[in-house]
Amino acid sequence: DAKTTQPPSMDCAEGRAANLPCNHSTISGNEYVYWYRQIHSQGPQYIIHGLKNNETNEMASLIITEDRKSSTLILPHATLRDTAVYYCIVRVALGAAGNKLTFGGGTRVLVKP
Amino acid sequence: KAGVTQTPRYLIKTRGQQVTLSCSPISGHRSVSWYQQTPGQGLQFLFEYFSETQRNKGNFPGRFSGRQFSNSRSEMNVSTLELGDSALYLCASSLAEGASGELFFGEGSRLTVL
Repeated sequence: DAKTTQPPSMDCAEGRAANLPCNHSTISGNEYVYWYRQIHSQGPQYIIHGLKNNETNEMASLIITEDRKSSTLILPHATLRDTAVYYCIVRVALGAAGNKLTFGGGTRVLVKP
Repeated sequence: KAGVTQTPRYLIKTRGQQVTLSCSPISGHRSVSWYQQTPGQGLQFLFEYFSETQRNKGNFPGRFSGRQFSNSRSEMNVSTLELGDSALYLCASSLAEGASGELFFGEGSRLTVL
């Protein structure tokens, strides 16, 4: 499985965009990039996912480089409630063997007023 | 609609005991997976069930086991508890069999082993 590398922590000013990088240089063609966040030991919350194209939803945007070796999660207007640990995950479908998520260390994001 | 429900939310056991955790997936979801989260090891995949069949298993000892019922509810069991089993155990469910579907997590069961 492809592994992901994220910075351990970052600060962001409230109201500004937060750009969270993720490196997944060993990703293969059938692996998706998923982003989840976890707020204070609650269950991880889905944010967004993509395969090749950039994606946007009501929470965030996902920018995937053309070679798919890295991606950036963008929170367009960070609020204090966005303070959380953000996980970049590569998710591979194993066919009959099922799905398996491999979590990295995540990025601890602190949104400051 | 109701989310993934895990019970109990909190429990305390002593070494050597066994524990059973329950997970009710979102209605209609047939895939259920389990994860262990500890401060030292982070989030680690335990196993996944789809239509009552275990499809994948993480690198955990045989003391960790699970099953899925015909209504897609799942249970995991840990026997002969060790101090290191103290963790947040998370369950997730998915509608799709492949990797393109969203995975929904429950709030977890926090196990403390004394």
